[in-house]
Amino acid sequence: VHLLESGGDWVQPGGSLRLSCTVSGITFSGITMSWVRQAPGKGLEWVSSIMGTDGSTQYTDAVKGRFTVSKDSSKNALYLQMNSLRVEDTALYYCAKDLRPDVYWGFDSWGQGTLVTVSS
Amino acid sequence: DIVMTQSPLSLSVTPGESASISCRSSHSLLKSTGNKCLAWYLQKPGQSPQLLIFLASNRASGVPDRFSGSGSASGTDFTLKISRVEAEDVGVYYCMQTLQPPLTFGGGTKVEI
Repeated sequence: VHLLESGGDWVQPGGSLRLSCTVSGITFSGITMSWVRQAPGKGLEWVSSIMGTDGSTQYTDAVKGRFTVSKDSSKNALYLQMNSLRVEDTALYYCAKDLRPDVYWGFDSWGQGTLVTVSS
Repeated sequence: DIVMTQSPLSLSVTPGESASISCRSSHSLLKSTGNKCLAWYLQKPGQSPQLLIFLASNRASGVPDRFSGSGSASGTDFTLKISRVEAEDVGVYYCMQTLQPPLTFGGGTKVEI
């Protein structure tokens, strides 16, 4: 399984970005995918997930209403649309795949991350 | 939100010796299925995290049996044990609760040789 993120960039506060994660080596449909971020020098923070069974989405409170997770199974791609970006959103964003499609067990595959910098 | 607290913050170990990392949850991670919803990750320097343990005590594919996880009957206290530590085990270890969103990580334990 290989996950490859892209789309990270420098953006001013209030701006928008769309991150992409391309998945290969596995049937994409039916797997639970997540975004996890890591601010510079800090620990890991779960951001959002989209469940493999029903496509339901979940978000951490810090990004609710600003970020939207989606997927396109025809392209084996996961997305994170990030609007109204804040300085505190600056981080390396990882996409990750869960062991299970229906419940969370743990992320057994991770991408290399894409860097989002929000600064004026 | 479920708060995950790890200890110690850092750990210096000698190759060949054992090391233990603790993770405490503010809420029981015991599910009605009997599963304890906790995962352990290792983030080696400059790398993405890798899954070591899921459901508290199950080793992920390819993880050496030197790594073992356990959890209390209450579902709030968990331990990652590394037997016969090797140089390649250095990095930051994180626990993460998988019981309910928002999924939350512990602050990390840095292991040095």
